Amino acid sequence: EPEVTQTPSHQVTQMGQEVILRCVPISNHLYFYWYRQILGQKVEFLVSFYNNEISEKSEIFDDQFSVERPDGSNFTLKIRSTKLEDSAMYFCASSDTGGDYSNQPQHFGDGTRLSIL
Amino acid sequence: AQSVAQPEDQVNVAEGNPLTVKCTYSVSGNPYLFWYVQYPNRGLQFLLKYITGDNLVKGSYGFEAEFNKSQTSFHLKKPSALVSDSALYFCAVRDIGTPLVFGKGTRLSVIA
Repeated sequence: EPEVTQTPSHQVTQMGQEVILRCVPISNHLYFYWYRQILGQKVEFLVSFYNNEISEKSEIFDDQFSVERPDGSNFTLKIRSTKLEDSAMYFCASSDTGGDYSNQPQHFGDGTRLSIL
Repeated sequence: AQSVAQPEDQVNVAEGNPLTVKCTYSVSGNPYLFWYVQYPNRGLQFLLKYITGDNLVKGSYGFEAEFNKSQTSFHLKKPSALVSDSALYFCAVRDIGTPLVFGKGTRLSVIA
């Protein structure tokens, strides 16, 4: 079964540095998402991406964050000038369109654990 | 704005017994409801969804969920629990054109 893959599995970065988290969505999917899960807390939506542009974003997704689909397979989340509170598990997800995209299940990668020191 | 409540942080059940993981939701329109499971150090795996139609939805690994509009609930059930079902379970809701919103999760522990 096709999977969403994320790299690296664990990223340790000094506060103030930039970090790029990478994802390869399922190949025929057209909607892409980033979520984060702070340890012990719930999964929070960050941003969705369709047709090479952001379709929705949460309050968390401020100017510090950006997303890009640099080629036909990768989907990246960049965090500029990281802060201690950015430490979390970051999940990428993708979904098919198949009509109403809102009712399509999202397929998640195994996440990147980001630790800011 | 939509929201999801999972009132139990932890559910313990003996192997072979039926299990229920509770979820209630709030949404302005007709809800799309989902259950996901998360095993340690893994991403969320889709179990089942409700869009419309039959209130009882069947999903992966023998799980099912019952949609109750009057009670705004979408409880996850399984007739006979397995030790391998032990994991973190998330209920999620989405309205058309809005982001998926997750509950805080319920940790299910199935004891042999």
